[in-house]
Amino acid sequence: GDSVTQMEGPVTLSEEAFLTINCTYTATGYPSLFWYVQYPGEGLQLLLKATKADDKGSNKGFEATYRKETTSFHLEKGSVQVSDSAVYFCALTPPGDKLIFGTGTRLQVFP
Amino acid sequence: EPEVTQTPSHQVTQMGQEVILRCVPISNHLYFYWYRQILGQKVEFLVSFYNNEISEKSEIFDDQFSVERPDGSNFTLKIRSTKLEDSAMYFCASLAQTITDTQYFGPGTRLTVL
Repeated sequence: GDSVTQMEGPVTLSEEAFLTINCTYTATGYPSLFWYVQYPGEGLQLLLKATKADDKGSNKGFEATYRKETTSFHLEKGSVQVSDSAVYFCALTPPGDKLIFGTGTRLQVFP
Repeated sequence: EPEVTQTPSHQVTQMGQEVILRCVPISNHLYFYWYRQILGQKVEFLVSFYNNEISEKSEIFDDQFSVERPDGSNFTLKIRSTKLEDSAMYFCASLAQTITDTQYFGPGTRLTVL
């Protein structure tokens, strides 16, 4: 079945460091890919998405590119802030279907 | 900006009791979902609902669970007889139509079963 694999956390960085959180997927067909973020004590918020191969999703300085050849959707940010500390979930879905989430990666950013 | 709302934010119940978790999806959305997240674990799909019926459910969604859209705005999840292992954060989500692909989540209800 379809699945998402994320790198284990926590990822611990100093402010202004470069961030990469790896995400790879297994899917039949052509899924859409998402990154959701969960700040402490809050629900899930859509961070960015990409719906087809080579699309780049971006938001709030975060980027991820849909790579069909490597079945990946790695999340990157050039300079993280303390306020980026959260849990990041990679997810996929065929259009209109349920979301399948990865296990989540906790990011901790220190001043 | 329209948003999905959920009530209550936190529900504490005794094992064996019935609970109803409530959600108000975004008003023009057609597809509705429930997910849960046990503390420290990943978010898991429970059920999807479209056109007043369940379109898909996971193995977690057994006979103790049911969903309903009793009127034009609410979408509820009922757990008939709660178990300790039902303690989790429950998220409602809605989606406008298949071509948009984006599910919008509510803030969640934390269910604690004692």
